Amino acid sequence: QITLKESGPTLVKPTQTLTLTCTFSGFSLSTSGEGVGWIRQPPGEALEWFALIYWDDDKRYSPALRSRLTVTKDTSRNQVVLRMTSMESVDTATYYCAHLSPGTLGFDYWGQGALVTVSS
Amino acid sequence: DIQMTQSPSPLSASVGDSVTITCRASQNIRNYLNWYQQKPGKAPRLLIHTASILQSGVPSRFSGSGSGTDFTLTISSLQPEDFATYYCQQSYSVPAFTFGPGTKVEI
Repeated sequence: QITLKESGPTLVKPTQTLTLTCTFSGFSLSTSGEGVGWIRQPPGEALEWFALIYWDDDKRYSPALRSRLTVTKDTSRNQVVLRMTSMESVDTATYYCAHLSPGTLGFDYWGQGALVTVSS
Repeated sequence: DIQMTQSPSPLSASVGDSVTITCRASQNIRNYLNWYQQKPGKAPRLLIHTASILQSGVPSRFSGSGSGTDFTLTISSLQPEDFATYYCQQSYSVPAFTFGPGTKVEI
């Protein structure tokens, strides 16, 4: 059974850097084809994919946020870490990590989500 | 970049209705189209992948069709638990996994 869970601060100040950790089980990010994505959702708004890391450490980012993002993985700890710099109020959202199914290219398992509020 | 649009939104329906949600891609994405269901306060749930393949555990009243730029999600005989927001998502332009704006199915 695959599970994922996001952890990190619930409140960050404008201009600060957000660091979120996705801790997962039920698969290994050292296995060919596996990937973990990050998707966010501002309150009352739609889903927005913005980052993905693959088993081979290939990383892809949304062009709109690329300059602010870093995603890394720790295979031994079964964790993926997201860093987003220069946080603003518009970045207030629920942040989800999700497992990318190698066969279907759909996000088939999701974390519960972490609400991050950007406010001074 | 591939853009995704959905219609209608919102969609008003009643229990027992058959409803269809449309998703359109700004360019040909073949059948690289997924559908998700999201209920308030919950993470999305993958319903259909590759345009028409039901994800394991999803009730058979959900079905998907389409290819190229036009896709549909149909829920036959709407159940109370189906009132939710539905998102399409393209996986053709990997890894830019663009989501549609969502369709809220409401009473």
